[in-house]
Amino acid sequence: DAKTTQPTSMDCAEGRAANLPCNHSTISGNEYVYWYRQIHSQGPQYIIHGLKNNETNEMASLIITEDRKSSTLILPHATLRDTAVYYCIVGSNTGNQFYFGTGTSLTVIP
Amino acid sequence: DGGITQSPKYLFRKEGQNVTLSCEQNLNHDAMYWYRQDPGQGLRLIYYSQIVNDFQKGDIAEGYSVSREKKESFPLTVTSAQKNPTAFYLCASSRDNNYGYTFGSGTRLTVV
Repeated sequence: DAKTTQPTSMDCAEGRAANLPCNHSTISGNEYVYWYRQIHSQGPQYIIHGLKNNETNEMASLIITEDRKSSTLILPHATLRDTAVYYCIVGSNTGNQFYFGTGTSLTVIP
Repeated sequence: DGGITQSPKYLFRKEGQNVTLSCEQNLNHDAMYWYRQDPGQGLRLIYYSQIVNDFQKGDIAEGYSVSREKKESFPLTVTSAQKNPTAFYLCASSRDNNYGYTFGSGTRLTVV
């Protein structure tokens, strides 16, 4: 079952902010939103996660809407190395496995 | 350095042969997972284990088997019953979902 919906692909100019949207309208009260990214032929890398408050770390910011039905991952100054597939996942912090969809393929353009 | 190691990185096997993919972690994580990824596709869950000596089937367990005899190790066997075994296999571990998953670098299996 698809629990999140993401655009298939996006482009972003180098140095600009990349805003990656995710819809998760069926999210439950105890489910977190997680973001990972996968550079070609490597294992996915954890980026950030949040429950309802906005979160920021050294890699990105996560903005979650008040109704928690959607979120946006923000890469503030995209570089060519940020070209990757970005996965948005929802899951309980005490639950079991995560389900990865096909994600958003982000291309950062010089 | 703590981490999760998958070996080998590339693996070739003849059709009809069983093959075992290794996954070892020294992160002291309780849970471990195996995913399969086909070109241009997302990750699909094969098996997962929340604790030693226990594991559950994921969405595409048919043709695969696992064991979890030690906390650090979660090997995956691709059997001859798996109809389409050529794929990129990813192993992951987690302490709990508060901390997300740590993935290995993957094993690319090609069956000829």
